[in-house]
Amino acid sequence: EAGVVQSPRYKIIEKKQPVAFWCNPISGHNTLYWYRQNLGQGPELLIRYENEEAVDDSQLPKDRFSAERLKGVDSTLKIQPAELGDSAVYLCASSFRLAGGHNEQFFGPGTRLTVL
Amino acid sequence: DAKTTQPNSMESNEEEPVHLPCNHSTISGTDYIHWYRQLPSQGPEYVIHGLTSNVNNRMASLAIAEDRKSSTLILHRATLRDAAVYYCIPPRTSGTYKYIFGTGTRLKVLA
Repeated sequence: EAGVVQSPRYKIIEKKQPVAFWCNPISGHNTLYWYRQNLGQGPELLIRYENEEAVDDSQLPKDRFSAERLKGVDSTLKIQPAELGDSAVYLCASSFRLAGGHNEQFFGPGTRLTVL
Repeated sequence: DAKTTQPNSMESNEEEPVHLPCNHSTISGTDYIHWYRQLPSQGPEYVIHGLTSNVNNRMASLAIAEDRKSSTLILHRATLRDAAVYYCIPPRTSGTYKYIFGTGTRLKVLA
């Protein structure tokens, strides 16, 4: 079974440029998460989708970040314009949500973004 | 949000048991305690979860204190492949599905 797929794996851009990350979750998983992981820190949730709906985007910097999950499957996270402080690993995860139960999250390998 | 306290780093010899502690004394949720680990250059992966009693699976054991304010992940025989950052994730507040990852414990396994 294929895991969570992310692309690209690495991206280097100049500041003020736009950048986009793509995620394909595990088939059948209705919940999708985007995390940002700074060097030496644990992942921090940016946004969570249940199917097509963004149900928690409280940590997403909405002035420059946007995300979409069309048709409730693949998702794209965009930054425009990128700033130096956006350099980090962006992780996508998916899970099959069971109300009140344990929802194991499956993570992709991440996209390492470097902003110069 | 509940916070966790874990040692920044630990070392173990190969083939020996490792006990990774976690303090989550500020928890208020009644949900599961999860442990994930992150191998170098990979995303985190699930290790184990528990609610009130000790749990075992093929990867590890989880010992949960009776008051649920601390837990210990036990690797029975550490291998070089177990070298990773281990994250203890406190119970989520009821009504949310947000995992709070701290800085974790970096485990180094010595050959």
